[in-house]
Amino acid sequence: DTGVSQDPRHKITKRGQNVTFRCDPISEHNRLYWYRQTLGQGPEFLTYFQNEAQLEKSRLLSDRFSAERPKGSFSTLEIQRTEQGDSAMYLCASRSGLLGGDTGELFFGEGSRLTVL
Amino acid sequence: AQRVTQPEKLLSVFKGAPVELKCNYSYSGSPELFWYVQYSRQRLQLLLRHISRESIKGFTADLNKGETSFHLKKPFAQEEDSAMYYCAPLQGGARQLTFGSGTQLTVLP
Repeated sequence: DTGVSQDPRHKITKRGQNVTFRCDPISEHNRLYWYRQTLGQGPEFLTYFQNEAQLEKSRLLSDRFSAERPKGSFSTLEIQRTEQGDSAMYLCASRSGLLGGDTGELFFGEGSRLTVL
Repeated sequence: AQRVTQPEKLLSVFKGAPVELKCNYSYSGSPELFWYVQYSRQRLQLLLRHISRESIKGFTADLNKGETSFHLKKPFAQEEDSAMYYCAPLQGGARQLTFGSGTQLTVLP
């Protein structure tokens, strides 16, 4: 296992197009998080999955954003009708939910950088 | 409102000098606090957590509940410590990390 992987690493799109990002967490981790990071800011929480259930969503996640984790393994984050303000780094992180194995540590992917023209 | 503040966006020190990266939080209860680090061209990773009271790469951080601070310290900075550092309390039902805006540390030769 090479850790959390994200795809694509870079995406350039035109305003109004839809984009989808994929995250593959560490295999034994049942908790998965999406964050967004813009220049000069720390990562901002977007949403959280425990297994396949989306348990929490930030107010930052507008109706144009949707995230899924259909089988409790990989997750996708889709942005519809992209806007220039969506340009950011989208980070995925996973965390063990196992009793005795959860230290609170989040393991991050390298991120997917979105540029909306 | 609950928030975490890192007052310095940029911090430069010379190699061998002490370094302190400040973090102040305003949260109810007793949050678990972490420092994450991002080296150039690497992913964000855990540096240390307050509950383990450990020293990682020479860094330590003490939780001061009276001052609601969790400053990161190292007595002798090294050039390889140059990175972006984020203070992050763990909170909420999802127990998500809430990151400060970060401090870019540059250690000069």
